[in-house]
Amino acid sequence: SQQGEEDPQALSIQEGENATMNCSYKTSINNLQWYRQNSGRGLVHLILIRSNEREKHSGRLRVTLDTSKKSSSLLITASRAADTASYFCATDEDDTGRRALTFGSGTRLQVQP
Amino acid sequence: DTGVSQNPRHKITKRGQNVTFRCDPISEHNRLYWYRQTLGQGPEFLTYFQNEAQLEKSRLLSDRFSAERPKGSFSTLEIQRTEQGDSAMYLCASSPLGQGTEAFFGQGTRLTVV
Repeated sequence: SQQGEEDPQALSIQEGENATMNCSYKTSINNLQWYRQNSGRGLVHLILIRSNEREKHSGRLRVTLDTSKKSSSLLITASRAADTASYFCATDEDDTGRRALTFGSGTRLQVQP
Repeated sequence: DTGVSQNPRHKITKRGQNVTFRCDPISEHNRLYWYRQTLGQGPEFLTYFQNEAQLEKSRLLSDRFSAERPKGSFSTLEIQRTEQGDSAMYLCASSPLGQGTEAFFGQGTRLTVV
């Protein structure tokens, strides 16, 4: 079973606009990570936010984490056509003993040129 | 190329046949994971190795599935008596020991059972 849900499932925007994706999860976590996947390829790590952090930036990416609501958001600013991909959140669970990441179902982002 | 390597990239097999996939992780990474991903879904955890020890297996890993990591280096995932429901992308990832580390994924092996 998967840990969380991403919202929206699909998002289509114009180049230059910002894209916001949300992730909700169920268990206590050590950290939350975001990954990107181009069609038919493997996943690439984007950013990691620890459970004691609330916000983190990396280039055009901004991630927030609200552990009280068990939710995170990924903001991509000034989107480009090359940002078209699926984006997944993944949690490193704290209280289940699970040592592998648990992934959500993903948001499919389409950036129109 | 020092990334995670998976072979083959694609595999088409007839129902009932056995298949084996290989994963070569990043050489200094102690941890190795197998995931399965179906169309439109996120990766689902199958199994986890720390060095040569298989420390965790998902309930998804039926008795037709077996994974090994001899000598703590490369890993193989075998599916016996394949079924159409086994059709998916099989992803391997590796990471170093320690909390809060990212996982490095291979390009995956796409299995189609006909």
